[in-house]
Amino acid sequence: RKEVEQDPGPFNVPEGATVAFNCTYSNSASQSFFWYRQDCRKEPKLLMSVYSSGNEDGRFTAQLNRASQYISLLIRDSKLSDSATYLCVVATDSWGKLQFGAGTQVVVTP
Amino acid sequence: GAVVSQHPSWVICKSGTSVKIECRSLDFQATTMFWYRQFPKQSLMLMATSNEGSKATYEQGVEKDKFLINHASLTLSTLTVTSAHPEDSSFYICSLSGGGTYNEQFFGPGTRLTVL
Repeated sequence: RKEVEQDPGPFNVPEGATVAFNCTYSNSASQSFFWYRQDCRKEPKLLMSVYSSGNEDGRFTAQLNRASQYISLLIRDSKLSDSATYLCVVATDSWGKLQFGAGTQVVVTP
Repeated sequence: GAVVSQHPSWVICKSGTSVKIECRSLDFQATTMFWYRQFPKQSLMLMATSNEGSKATYEQGVEKDKFLINHASLTLSTLTVTSAHPEDSSFYICSLSGGGTYNEQFFGPGTRLTVL
């Protein structure tokens, strides 16, 4: 079983709509959680860290459910520029070692 | 976040040659850097953790004699792919932790290696 699992998608989303997707992780001792965005043939860029109480950054909302070991990302009012692959990333130790999900592809259409 | 550069951004080489990739931290002194590899449509896989002034820590299945890592200063880590073969063709990305509360990592732009 993979340590971090994501629905690969693609999620086809009309512009202006809301899209949400989850990621599950297997290591209950995981310490930090992140969503990164990766565009085609580019490096991952940090979208947001995920806090225990959940957090919001503009149109993006992240939630953490430790009991069920999943993280979610919700994108409101989708823009064409939101089209990308969203990587769920989990830090499994205090040294910063990260486990990556394979990514969820989001395609926002006009 | 921390600004990370990589050089070269892409390289094409013949099988059997060695390729050196540089990863630089432009605004942060990093005692630890990370090297990843990503094959098409797959997730990033950690290859090794690069420690300034000491030996790198390699992940299981990564050959330390093939992927030589040198972290000689707080702003530079290098990865050398020795005797590269076509199966080494991949996207190599370095990262470092920016020292934030949650140890967020910031990535270099990556190096696309193609071995013919």
